[in-house]
Amino acid sequence: RKEVEQDPGPFNVPEGATVAFNCTYSNSASQSFFWYRQDCRKEPKLLMSVYSSGNEDGRFTAQLNRASQYISLLIRDSKLSDSATYLCVSEGGGNKLTFGTGTQLKVEL
Amino acid sequence: EPEVTQTPSHQVTQMGQEVILRCVPISNHLYFYWYRQILGQKVEFLVSFYNNEISEKSEIFDDQFSVERPDGSNFTLKIRSTKLEDSAMYFCASSDGGHFSGNTIYFGEGSWLTVV
Repeated sequence: RKEVEQDPGPFNVPEGATVAFNCTYSNSASQSFFWYRQDCRKEPKLLMSVYSSGNEDGRFTAQLNRASQYISLLIRDSKLSDSATYLCVSEGGGNKLTFGTGTQLKVEL
Repeated sequence: EPEVTQTPSHQVTQMGQEVILRCVPISNHLYFYWYRQILGQKVEFLVSFYNNEISEKSEIFDDQFSVERPDGSNFTLKIRSTKLEDSAMYFCASSDGGHFSGNTIYFGEGSWLTVV
């Protein structure tokens, strides 16, 4: 079983739509979770950390459910510039990040 | 915003040759990392480095790989005898503390390695 599992997509959505991505992780010892964004052939960039209480940053909301080992990302009012691959990431200690394969989002006019 | 810089941005090398990828982490950072991403696949952890020694390494980081911080500013990844399957984007990263402590890990733009 993959350590961090995501639906690869692509998710094709119209501008202004709300889109949600989900991710599951298998290592119950994982301590911290993040969503990274990666544009084509570029480096991953931290989008936001994910907390059990849920956290919001503008149009982005992330949620962690430790009991179900499940992480989500909600993007509201999607924009063309949101088109990218969204990487679900866990950290199991020692600063080692474990990445999912990513979910591709394409926002269209 | 401070950034991690990597050189070269792209290198083509013949199978069996040695390659050195260079990185300049953010100046006050203490933790350094190498990750790689084979085209179309996920980003994979290779090695973390703290206090002038390897703190953790993955199964990928076998004897043909080594890291060094030779002069207090550069952080290098050496691949001793490259194989075709080493073709990938190699990302250097740094942080000033543990990610779980709320410290962000910053990635460089990557070095594309093509082994022919």
